[in-house]
Amino acid sequence: GAVVSQHPSWVICKSGTSVKIECRSLDFQATTMFWYRQFPKQSLMLMATSNEGSKATYEQGVEKDKFLINHASLTLSTLTVTSAHPEDSSFYICSARSGGRARETQYFGPGTRLLVL
Amino acid sequence: EDKVVQSPLSLVVHEGDTVTLNCSYEVTNFRSLLWYKQEKKAPTFLFMLTSSGIEKKSGRLSSILDKKELFSILNITATQTGDSAVYLCAVLFHFGNQFYFGTGTSLTVIP
Repeated sequence: GAVVSQHPSWVICKSGTSVKIECRSLDFQATTMFWYRQFPKQSLMLMATSNEGSKATYEQGVEKDKFLINHASLTLSTLTVTSAHPEDSSFYICSARSGGRARETQYFGPGTRLLVL
Repeated sequence: EDKVVQSPLSLVVHEGDTVTLNCSYEVTNFRSLLWYKQEKKAPTFLFMLTSSGIEKKSGRLSSILDKKELFSILNITATQTGDSAVYLCAVLFHFGNQFYFGTGTSLTVIP
């Protein structure tokens, strides 16, 4: 099956620093990647959708300048949390979807747990 | 306003019990509904349902979609402790790529 990796799986940083999270599709080309955020005991909240080679589409209420998304290739998307603050601490999950109407399933990465001190 | 609602929010059962999880939706331009199982990390895919009335089955899990009444159910028979997880349903719209997730049902299976 399709495999999506995320790196790092855990990150602890000081307030004010920036953190980059990578999402890679290992055995397929992902024309679209999605970034989600999940708080404890809550469902996944879609943050943004990124298509390879174009600007990401952010959901309402998600700050573009705060959460920078780059989808530079068909196998890699990055999420950079800029000037992180404790309220940004969360579980961030990416998912990837290959092209074509028939391939609707999203494949999720293992997630990255961010703790901002 | 589009919404996806799951019930119950949480459920505790004994091993061997059968459970039914519900997902109802009110969305425009519905395309597909998907079920995921989430344990400690990211969700894993269970089923995708597009057509009404066709049951999908995988081992002890099965799911069906009712597009007239706008809901889906996920059944788990002969539950095991390994079934303990949060079960998420997500709706895919006809236009666009986004999935909208329901609130999730937290299932705990006790020995």
